[in-house]
Amino acid sequence: EIVLTQSPGTLSLSPGEGASLSCRASQNINSRYLVWYQQKPGQAPRLLMYDTSSRATGIPDRFSGSGSGTDFTLTISRLEPEDFAVYYCQQFGISPYTFGPGTKVEIK
Amino acid sequence: QITLKESGPTLVRPTQTLTLTCTFSGFSLSTTGMGVGWIRQPPGKPLEWLALIYWNDDKRYSPSLQSRLTVTKDTSENQVLLTMTNMDPVDTATYYCAHYSGDYFAKYFDLWGRGTLVTVSS
Repeated sequence: EIVLTQSPGTLSLSPGEGASLSCRASQNINSRYLVWYQQKPGQAPRLLMYDTSSRATGIPDRFSGSGSGTDFTLTISRLEPEDFAVYYCQQFGISPYTFGPGTKVEIK
Repeated sequence: QITLKESGPTLVRPTQTLTLTCTFSGFSLSTTGMGVGWIRQPPGKPLEWLALIYWNDDKRYSPSLQSRLTVTKDTSENQVLLTMTNMDPVDTATYYCAHYSGDYFAKYFDLWGRGTLVTVSS
């Protein structure tokens, strides 16, 4: 089973600042199958990025993804008020299709 | 427009069997590359992937829960069922179903239901 580790657990930032979220896998993942979701309180997760760096429909370009192998990063260039949420990575490379534990981006 | 909606009991007694239904529209589960996944989230905790059923009836399960899980599809009714046996209070969670789209180039859950909270308590 591929274990995904996300860091930091919590990121305290102000609107306008940039954010860098890490997702590290216990073994190599095909980057085509690394996905990011955003989840706000009381809501279902929303697809943000797929194929490591492709933005899902309607996702603004302040969100970007990068990485390969075991190290992947979600970057938010300038935080907007609506970006404060929990972010999860997930891999579809090998079943079980595990999620990371999430990074909470909170308002400082 | 793809939509999914979970339905089922909100309260289950310990040792009982839970059956959840995901009713969807906007796609056919007989289309190559499509699937429906189940994910749960205990209150205040992270997402946990449970199962995925593909258009060709192939199935994948979380190894830690595989002995308790069964996922089936009714293509004509646009429904996917998840059955979980021997429920325990630790299974209290919001259960989501999600539309899966996958091919060689990418795989993801692109649309999710709103989820249904299942509480396990005597």
